[in-house]
Amino acid sequence: GQQVMQIPQYQHVQEGEDFTTYCNSSTTLSNIQWYKQRPGGHPVFLIQLVKSGEVKKQKRLTFQFGEAKKNSSLHITATQTTDVGTYFCAGPNTGNQFYFGTGTSLTVIP
Amino acid sequence: EPEVTQTPSHQVTQMGQEVILRCVPISNHLYFYWYRQILGQKVEFLVSFYNNEISEKSEIFDDQFSVERPDGSNFTLKIRSTKLEDSAMYFCASSASAEQYFGPGTRLTVT
Repeated sequence: GQQVMQIPQYQHVQEGEDFTTYCNSSTTLSNIQWYKQRPGGHPVFLIQLVKSGEVKKQKRLTFQFGEAKKNSSLHITATQTTDVGTYFCAGPNTGNQFYFGTGTSLTVIP
Repeated sequence: EPEVTQTPSHQVTQMGQEVILRCVPISNHLYFYWYRQILGQKVEFLVSFYNNEISEKSEIFDDQFSVERPDGSNFTLKIRSTKLEDSAMYFCASSASAEQYFGPGTRLTVT
């Protein structure tokens, strides 16, 4: 079946450092979504990318969708303690079944 | 701001018992989902529901599971004959288009 892997699994950064998580799918995706889950919380939608090579920015967050639509990345500039949480990418199969990535847990050290 | 609600927040049940997890999606949403997340692991898709029927289900969603939209507001997940490995956080989500809104989850503990 479809697999969506993310690296790294864990990342510890000093506050102010940058952070990047990478998402790789075993199959081509029609679109990719990113979610953030705070410790003890539920996933919260961040963004959706649809076009090959698409780049979107939300303040300090930059999202990219690969040219082949099989990979994606999330980059956070100058991390803050509020960025702490697990970041998941998620992509649908040909139907309406969403495969979540394995997640990257971000810890920001003040 | 509208939100997805789930009840109960925590359910403890004995192995072999049946549980019903309840969700109230956002009122104008048409797509509904159930996911589960075993502690410390990724979010796993269980089932999607549209137009009063299942549109997709994963390999996890076997005969032990069923979903229902008994009225215009509730969306339920029934787990029959629970097993220890069913212990997890169960999230309901709803969407109008792309963005899925997740509820706070029900933590199911099977003893």
